[in-house]
Amino acid sequence: AQSVTQPDIHITVSEGASLELRCNYSYGATPYLFWYVQSPGQGLQLLLKYFSGDTLVQGIKGFEAEFKRSQSSFNLRKPSVHWSDAAEYFCAVGAFGNEKLTFGTGTRLTIIP
Amino acid sequence: SQTIHQWPATLVQPVGSPLSLECTVEGTSNPNLYWYRQAAGRGLQLLFYSVGIGQISSEVPQNLSASRPQDRQFILSSKKLLLSDSGFYLCAWSPPQGKGSYNEQFFGPGTRLTVL
Repeated sequence: AQSVTQPDIHITVSEGASLELRCNYSYGATPYLFWYVQSPGQGLQLLLKYFSGDTLVQGIKGFEAEFKRSQSSFNLRKPSVHWSDAAEYFCAVGAFGNEKLTFGTGTRLTIIP
Repeated sequence: SQTIHQWPATLVQPVGSPLSLECTVEGTSNPNLYWYRQAAGRGLQLLFYSVGIGQISSEVPQNLSASRPQDRQFILSSKKLLLSDSGFYLCAWSPPQGKGSYNEQFFGPGTRLTVL
């Protein structure tokens, strides 16, 4: 069965600082991996996705993520955060032949001036 | 381009009253459709999903039900709401399998339900 772990429930970062949000997955074959962002009271927006190929993927809003098979990780990064990045971030894993995604419990990001 | 709509945006209902939340998708055909619930400060809980008209898979046994009367319409219902049904309800769609789909899901704006 698929599973996703986001070990950090809440992260606080200063505006302009770099960011890394952790995501570890468990799945036997090649996973499909996703990062979503949710602003308060809003739906989830897809930031980026990995299916195959280049292990460093670029997404919207200046985010990137790196797939590391040996570590079963798909960490999200941004070189310099903006106050508007404050939100909840969800990592998700899927697989071919499975209509469902498995979501992590989320990491809440707070930005301080 | 594809869009997904949910209504109503907010809803306050008394305990024991019925519920009907609607979700529609535009700009695609035969999508997979999903209902999720988020309790306050919690993650996503998959409630139902559907791969076609009349095909509903239930993930969590409870007093909610789902229906898909048309290809791009997904309805979440209850005959009698409980206090524990309060939460943020999200509808999502994904492209059907076999059309370059990697199961990425696209979410609607959500419905905030408060049961009093």
